[in-house]
Amino acid sequence: GNSVTQMEGPVTLSEEAFLTINCTYTATGYPSLFWYVQYPGEGLQLLLKATKADDKGSNKGFEATYRKETTSFHLEKGSVQVSDSAVYFCEGAGANSKLTFGKGITLSVRP
Amino acid sequence: GAGVSQSPSNKVTEKGKDVELRCDPISGHTALYWYRQSLGQGLEFLIYFQGNSAPDKSGLPSDRFSAERTGGSVSTLTIQRTQQEDSAVYLCASSLGPQFTDTQYFGPGTRLTVL
Repeated sequence: GNSVTQMEGPVTLSEEAFLTINCTYTATGYPSLFWYVQYPGEGLQLLLKATKADDKGSNKGFEATYRKETTSFHLEKGSVQVSDSAVYFCEGAGANSKLTFGKGITLSVRP
Repeated sequence: GAGVSQSPSNKVTEKGKDVELRCDPISGHTALYWYRQSLGQGLEFLIYFQGNSAPDKSGLPSDRFSAERTGGSVSTLTIQRTQQEDSAVYLCASSLGPQFTDTQYFGPGTRLTVL
């Protein structure tokens, strides 16, 4: 079945630093891949997604590229802001196969 | 429009008591999911409803957990004889279509504390 592995956290960065959060997947076939974000006191919400190899999802300055050769969907942002402090979850799902979330990683951005 | 709502937002109960958690999905969404979010454990899939089909209960951790969805809309997650290890945030999500690849919209969660 599908599985998703995220890098361990938490991560603390200074404002304007470069961010990379790693996510790799194991799946039969090519799942759709998602990043969800949970801001403090709020519910999870979709940040970006990619449904096939080489697709790039982007939103709010974040990007992630679906790379089948490395089975990865790493989340990147060139210059983080304090308002990006949140918990980030990577998710993978096939059309008819069970979805799976990574364990989540807490990002704290210092002014 | 209205998003996914859950009630109560917080529930404190004593070990051994039963609890019911409610989820109102987005109108028109056919799929509904329940998850459990424990500290350091990420999101654990519990159960999935799609339309009028039999639910996928494969993620329920024990037979103390059950869920139903009435009229293809509102869902209730019931935990019987609660244990301290049931303490967690219970999240509900809905999606427009039947496929796991459809974007999920999450509710704010119910924080359950079992004393």
